This record gives sequence, C-alpha cells and structure tokens, in this order.
Amino acid sequence: RKEVEQDPGPFNVPEGATVAFNCTYSNSASQSFFWYRQDCRKEPKLLMSVYSSGNEDGRFTAQLNRASQYISLLIRDSKLSDSATYLCVVNMRRTGNQFYFGTGTSLTVIP
Amino acid sequence: DVKVTQSSRYLVKRTGEKVFLECVQDMDHENMFWYRQDPGLGLRLIYFSYDVKMKEKGDIPEGYSVSREKKERFSLILESASTNQTSMYLCASSTRDGEYEQYFGPGTRLTVT
Repeated sequence: RKEVEQDPGPFNVPEGATVAFNCTYSNSASQSFFWYRQDCRKEPKLLMSVYSSGNEDGRFTAQLNRASQYISLLIRDSKLSDSATYLCVVNMRRTGNQFYFGTGTSLTVIP
Repeated sequence: DVKVTQSSRYLVKRTGEKVFLECVQDMDHENMFWYRQDPGLGLRLIYFSYDVKMKEKGDIPEGYSVSREKKERFSLILESASTNQTSMYLCASSTRDGEYEQYFGPGTRLTVT
C-alpha cells in the first residue's frame, strides 16, 4: 500500500472554476503535511503547508482531517497559470525524516 | 533566497559509465535527499542523509551510491550507468526535524544511451 495516494486526474477545468483535490495517507504517525506545485520539467515548489486548523492563502485553501487521514486542496477562481501538477506530501518526522510524496494530480485550466 | 543547486541540468552518458551528480545547498540543512522522477511513478527516494557521512537507503537504492563529506554537499553516484537509469534526478534538503518543507534543486535530466 502506498504511503500517500492521490487521484492522478487529469482535471480539466474552465477559467474561474473551483477545483478540489484530495489526498489520503496511510500512516497515522504522519505529522507534517504539504502541498507542492510542479510545473512541466521543473522542480517541485512548496505551495502551502497544511495545518490542523486549516489554512488559506489567497485563492488556495488547505484542510487536514487527521481522523480520516486525508488532506485537501481547494483552488477557487482558477487561472490559466494554475495549470500544473499538484503533489501531496507527508512527513512522519522520525529519524531520517522521510518525506512521502503522492504521484501528483494534473490540473489544466482551459480558457 | 534559499538555494539548492545541482551540477548539471542535462547529462548524456553511455551504458557502463560512472556518473556523478552533485548537489549543494546553502541553507545549513541537516537533511539531504536524492530522488528520481519518472512519468506515472512520481518521486521515488533513492538515498537520504541526515548528517555528514551518514546515509540511509530509500526505496530504490540499487545501482546507486551516495557520498556526504560536507554538510552542504550530497553526491549521487551511478557506479555503472544503465539505460533504465534514464530519468530526472532531483536533490532536496530540509531541516533536521522535518517540520518544514523540503527545498528542491532544479533537477538533472540524465539520459543513458
């Protein structure tokens, strides 16, 4: 079983739409959670950390549900520039601090 | 501005060659990581290091080795490159406790012919 699972998509949405991605993780000991964005042929870059209380950054909202072991990302008012792959990442913060990555969800925002 | 740099963006090598991929970070991070990324498979951890001269195998260490002689530098070595090692290689670093995110280098696209 994979540590982190995501729907690979692709999600094709029109500009201005709201889109939501979910991600599940298998290990309840996971302690740190992140959403990364990766553009084609580029490295992953942090989009936002995910906190238990939920957090918002402009059009982006991240939520964590520890009881159900899932993380979500909501993008409102989608822009063409939001087209990318979104990676869900968890860290159990034990020795070595391995980060576990989902395979990513592909988003294309269509004019 | 935090930075992770990798020695090459693109590399073409022949089967059987020894290949060195270098990664340097300027954030004084304790942890450093090497991943490969292939379509449909996502990022897979090859090796990581949580201190100088310390290393731990990740999920796919076969055919690779690593070296960390200085805190800022983490090298990935392909002892005898094979065509199935053609991939995008990404280096990353993070603080020791993993509370904060990883920072990635720009990646090295390696082709083995």
